[in-house]
Amino acid sequence: DAGVTQSPTHLIKTRGQQVTLRCSPKSGHDTVSWYQQALGQGPQFIFQYYEEEERQRGNFPDRFSGHQFPNYSSELNVNALLLGDSALYLCASSPAGVTYEQYFGPGTRLTVT
Amino acid sequence: AQTVTQSQPEMSVQEAETVTLSCTYDTSENNYYLFWYKQPPSRQMILVIRQEAYKQQNATENRFSVNFQKAAKSFSLKISDSQLGDTAMYFCAFGRGNTPLVFGKGTRLSVIA
Repeated sequence: DAGVTQSPTHLIKTRGQQVTLRCSPKSGHDTVSWYQQALGQGPQFIFQYYEEEERQRGNFPDRFSGHQFPNYSSELNVNALLLGDSALYLCASSPAGVTYEQYFGPGTRLTVT
Repeated sequence: AQTVTQSQPEMSVQEAETVTLSCTYDTSENNYYLFWYKQPPSRQMILVIRQEAYKQQNATENRFSVNFQKAAKSFSLKISDSQLGDTAMYFCAFGRGNTPLVFGKGTRLSVIA
């Protein structure tokens, strides 16, 4: 049983560019949450997708957007990248109705130069 | 809003010894879940142990156990017989219903041979 997978593993972008990160949830899970983890900090909640809709959102600007596909996989898009967007981006999936039970992927390390 | 505080940025322990990591949280809710996650250098966030707030009995998973003090809003993690593979960042997290997890800033644990 494959766990949560994320791609790419690492990414380097320039300020002002746009980036798309991808996540495939654990088998049987239908809810996907995205977190940003700055160096030396705990993960911060960005948003959560369920049934292809954004169900909850943390305190992040509109430059951060997402999408969930019918197969429950998800994308995180960040526009107009800033140096401060450099972080580890974690995807977590949960089974229906048990959102607190989250299984994390290995993350994507984004570096903005 | 819930908050989670980990007051120990770094700790170290000798191999085979016991170490306790501290966590306090703030909430007005009565039903919730508390978690300890381990994040090794490989970056994958791994669930170590979970405690349901309605259970008085402290959770135990092999060498890992918690001391849950609901009235004091304290949730510490005890690692017995520490192993080199326990070296990692440890995050305390709060979860409830369909709300996203709230993480502390983490404690960096080093196990010394």
